[in-house]
Amino acid sequence: QVHLLESGPGLVKPSETLSLTCTVSGASISNYYWSWIRQPPGKGLEWIGYVYYSDGSADYNPSLRGRVTISVDMSKNQFSLSLKSVTAADTAVYYCASLKYMYHFFWGQGTQVTVSS
Amino acid sequence: ETVLTQSPATLSLSPGDRATLSCRASQSVSGYLAWYQQKPGQAPRLLIYDASNRATGVPARFSGSGSGTDFTLTIDNLEPEDFAVYYCQQRRDLLSFGGGTKVEIK
Repeated sequence: QVHLLESGPGLVKPSETLSLTCTVSGASISNYYWSWIRQPPGKGLEWIGYVYYSDGSADYNPSLRGRVTISVDMSKNQFSLSLKSVTAADTAVYYCASLKYMYHFFWGQGTQVTVSS
Repeated sequence: ETVLTQSPATLSLSPGDRATLSCRASQSVSGYLAWYQQKPGQAPRLLIYDASNRATGVPARFSGSGSGTDFTLTIDNLEPEDFAVYYCQQRRDLLSFGGGTKVEIK
């Protein structure tokens, strides 16, 4: 069973960079694709992007491309999300998840991030 | 970009009823579609992948069908724990989720 846990600041100021980390246990970071998803208050799920350790490839939601970077730290069995120039519209619960067959098989519990001055 | 449209937005049913949820893609996604269940305050849970394959531990009352642009999630004999929000997700063209269908108690 893969276990994922998100961590990072719960409050980010407008125009700054949102940074979150997902710590993986029960699996090696080198075995899967890894994904970030978010959910604004009272709304649906939005896929942010994914990364594959094997070749370092990543791809992102076109609506966020240019602001988002997802990277992997194999030594810590973690992967990270960086989202630049945030606004109130980036306020959401952020989830990390493992992808198998490009479906989200295992999810973290989610972490609330609020963008506010 | 492939847009997934789920209908209806809300489905009001009673325990024991059958629920039929629809997910329509703006272009063909072949059979590359999944369904997730989300309860309040919880992360989503994978139910069905590749249109009709149940994930480990998912009860047999959940079934998925469809291909191309039209997909259906059917829940037979609704149990109290099945009242939740359901999302579809495609993997044919990057990844994207539908807007969700809430199954509520009538």
